[in-house]
Amino acid sequence: QPLLTQSSSASASLGSSVRLTCTLSSGHSNYIIAWHQQQPGQAPRYLMKVEGSGSYNKGSGVPDRFSGSSSGADRYLTISNLQSADEAVYYCETWDSNTWVFGGGTKLTVL
Amino acid sequence: QVQLVESGGGLVRPGGSLRLSCAASGFTFRDYYMSWIRQAPGKGLEWVSYISLSGSHIKYGESVKGRFTISRDNAKNSLHLQMNSLRAEDTAVYYCARAESMVVVNWGQGTLVSVSS
Repeated sequence: QPLLTQSSSASASLGSSVRLTCTLSSGHSNYIIAWHQQQPGQAPRYLMKVEGSGSYNKGSGVPDRFSGSSSGADRYLTISNLQSADEAVYYCETWDSNTWVFGGGTKLTVL
Repeated sequence: QVQLVESGGGLVRPGGSLRLSCAASGFTFRDYYMSWIRQAPGKGLEWVSYISLSGSHIKYGESVKGRFTISRDNAKNSLHLQMNSLRAEDTAVYYCARAESMVVVNWGQGTLVSVSS
């Protein structure tokens, strides 16, 4: 069963860019992951799917400021031109034959 | 557009039961895996269970195995979660979710289950 590791927190200034990382456990470096955003008091929202090749596929209505990429076992979510509305917890997610798995989430603070 | 609307949450005593429902619309329900995912207060996301297109393939997380039962009614575009022998640690917001190519692509707004005496 894969494990997903995320930093617990990150911060960046309004208008700048930030890259969040989700690391797949050993033996699972080719897995597809998804990124979800959870704003305070809201349900999660699907952002995109990121493959091991680095290609990504965004959900409907996700702004162009959000992009995905990949390197080895790491999957990235990059947010450019940060807005105050981007302050949220970001979760990564993947699936194995018997279970869905979530990372612990990264709380992003926009300064 | 896709809509997932959960219902059935509430306050229940330890050892009690509750049945959650999710009404789906905006997509062909029978063509998608569906899942329940929960979030305890102030905590992260925890997968609970998933069910395949026809209901023939079902899996549960270890923490709910033997106590919870997932089901679906493709004729009524609905997903259910029967929760028995509830414990305090089952207290959480429960989300209904649609999966596409085995990742969650849509979430409901959630329903709160509180287990307390």
